[in-house]
Amino acid sequence: GDSVTQMEGPVTLSEEAFLTINCTYTATGYPSLFWYVQYPGEGLQLLLKATKADDKGSNKGFEATYRKETTSFHLEKGSVQVSDSAVYFCALGNQGGKLIFGQGTELSVKP
Amino acid sequence: DTGVSQNPRHKITKRGQNVTFRCDPISEHNRLYWYRQTLGQGPEFLTYFQNEAQLEKSRLLSDRFSAERPKGSFSTLEIQRTEQGDSAMYLCASSPGGRVVSPLHFGNGTRLTVT
Repeated sequence: GDSVTQMEGPVTLSEEAFLTINCTYTATGYPSLFWYVQYPGEGLQLLLKATKADDKGSNKGFEATYRKETTSFHLEKGSVQVSDSAVYFCALGNQGGKLIFGQGTELSVKP
Repeated sequence: DTGVSQNPRHKITKRGQNVTFRCDPISEHNRLYWYRQTLGQGPEFLTYFQNEAQLEKSRLLSDRFSAERPKGSFSTLEIQRTEQGDSAMYLCASSPGGRVVSPLHFGNGTRLTVT
């Protein structure tokens, strides 16, 4: 069945460091891909999405490119801030519109 | 857009009791989803509705769990004879539906603790 695998956390970075969180997927057909973020004490929020191969989703300085050949959707940010500390979830959406999530990667950014 | 609303925010119950949670989706959204999230894990799909029809249920959803969406508006998730393993955050989400896979809009969840 469809599945998503994320790099394990926690990831600890200093402010202004470069961030990469790896995400790979297994799916039938042509899924849409998403990154969600969960800030401490808050609900899941959509961060960015891509609906087809080679699409790049971007938001708040974060980017991810849908790579069909490597079945990946890695999240990147050039310069992280303390306020980016959160748990990040990669997800795929296929028939029926339900999303399948990875296990999440906790990011901690130190000043 | 008032967002997805879930009640209660927290529920503590004793093992063997029944509990019911409510979800009010974004008003124009046709699809409503229930997920369960345990500490350190991603949300796990439980079930979803297109309007009032329940279209899919996960194998995770034992016969102690039942969900309804009367009139295609709000939804309830009931857990009968709760067990300690049911302790988790229960998340509700909604989306417009349609041919394109839309992002899900999540509520803040109901945290269930079974003692």
